[in-house]
Amino acid sequence: QVQLQESGPGLVKPSETLSLTCTVSGGSISSYYWGWIRQPPGKGLEWIAYTHFGGSVNYNPSLESRATISADTSKNQVDLKLTSVTPADTAIYYCARLGGFTFPDWGQGTLVTVSS
Amino acid sequence: QSALTQPPSASGSLGQSVTISCAGTSTDFGGYSYVSWYQQYPGKAPKLIIYEVNKRPSGVPDRFSGSKSGSSASLTVSGLQAEDEADYYCISYAGSNYYVFGTGTKVTVL
Repeated sequence: QVQLQESGPGLVKPSETLSLTCTVSGGSISSYYWGWIRQPPGKGLEWIAYTHFGGSVNYNPSLESRATISADTSKNQVDLKLTSVTPADTAIYYCARLGGFTFPDWGQGTLVTVSS
Repeated sequence: QSALTQPPSASGSLGQSVTISCAGTSTDFGGYSYVSWYQQYPGKAPKLIIYEVNKRPSGVPDRFSGSKSGSSASLTVSGLQAEDEADYYCISYAGSNYYVFGTGTKVTVL
């Protein structure tokens, strides 16, 4: 079973770009699809995007204009960038493996707070 | 597309059953049988407990079962145990490479 670990700044200023990295161990990222999901404090889950190393990317239409997901097979990492953040983007961001039209494996999540 | 609708809360006594609904439109479910359910404890990542409507990953007790009919899916937890007290989320593949989550249900074991 793969392990996923999210990393990145815990605090981002409004209007700046949120950048997160998901490091995958126990398997090659080239073997699967990978996604990002977020959860505002005390609220529900929201799918952000998913990608495959071959270049296939898909975004939640509500975030498509601001989100970029990419896979780096040399580092076995999946990155997420979210531009022009506002306090509404404050959330726990999870990295997850996509397989069989579901997300079987998740990282522990990383809290990102958007505040000046 | 909007989130799938789940009741905010549900409860049941120890040993009893509780059923959580997940309602959407035919578009939300895309005509597919790709509905999954996740269990989430406070401060923890969600854990997959049901996939493809009614399949359980290895290690998930058979007390958890899922079903789908039309534009609604359901999760039933039978023989409620104290450790089943958690938040539960549904998610569906809606077609066109799009996924939609449910609003979440907090299950309380009385």
